[in-house]
Amino acid sequence: GENVEQHPSTLSVQEGDSAVIKCTYSDSASNYFPWYKQELGKRPQLIIDIRSNVGEKKDQRIAVTLNKTAKHFSLHITETQPEDSAVYFCAASIGYNQGGKLIFGQGTELSVKP
Amino acid sequence: GAVVSQHPSWVICKSGTSVKIECRSLDFQATTMFWYRQFPKQSLMLMATSNEGSKATYEQGVEKDKFLINHASLTLSTLTVTSAHPEDSSFYICSASGTYNSPLHFGNGTRLTVT
Repeated sequence: GENVEQHPSTLSVQEGDSAVIKCTYSDSASNYFPWYKQELGKRPQLIIDIRSNVGEKKDQRIAVTLNKTAKHFSLHITETQPEDSAVYFCAASIGYNQGGKLIFGQGTELSVKP
Repeated sequence: GAVVSQHPSWVICKSGTSVKIECRSLDFQATTMFWYRQFPKQSLMLMATSNEGSKATYEQGVEKDKFLINHASLTLSTLTVTSAHPEDSSFYICSASGTYNSPLHFGNGTRLTVT
């Protein structure tokens, strides 16, 4: 089955710096890769997603890149702010429908120091 | 946007009792819903896929007789933790997608504590 590896497990940056989180997946059939932000005790919130027919997607300070050949994708947050502090999860969708079951990475605890 | 409601948000029960958790899609129909479990400081682990009108599909290692899933309508799926034990204490989260091309939306989650 699908396996998603996420690194690093913790990341600490200074406010204003950039943060990068990387994920690799195992199932070449996966074609949908969302990123979720989860604050303590709350539900995961979708922050950005990318499909396999696109190599990069950007939304203000957040961007995601995808390398299908290498089966890895990354989250980039620029100009980080203290409110970006949370746990971030990458995920990959098995199969070909965007609403399919997601397999999550282990999570990255991001801490942005003011 | 799509809203998924989960109830209760937290529950404390005694060991050996059963607990039912409801997951509702409020403004869309969901033929498929997913149940995840999350232990403290860990990732979301998929437990099962709930299919409207048919049996749920369980992930490897998840006991189907312990975690009963019922998806009786296009807007409601329930997870019943039977004969709960302290090791079942966790954060249970459901998710649903309205259409083929819409992303998954998560419920608020249910924090279960078994004493």
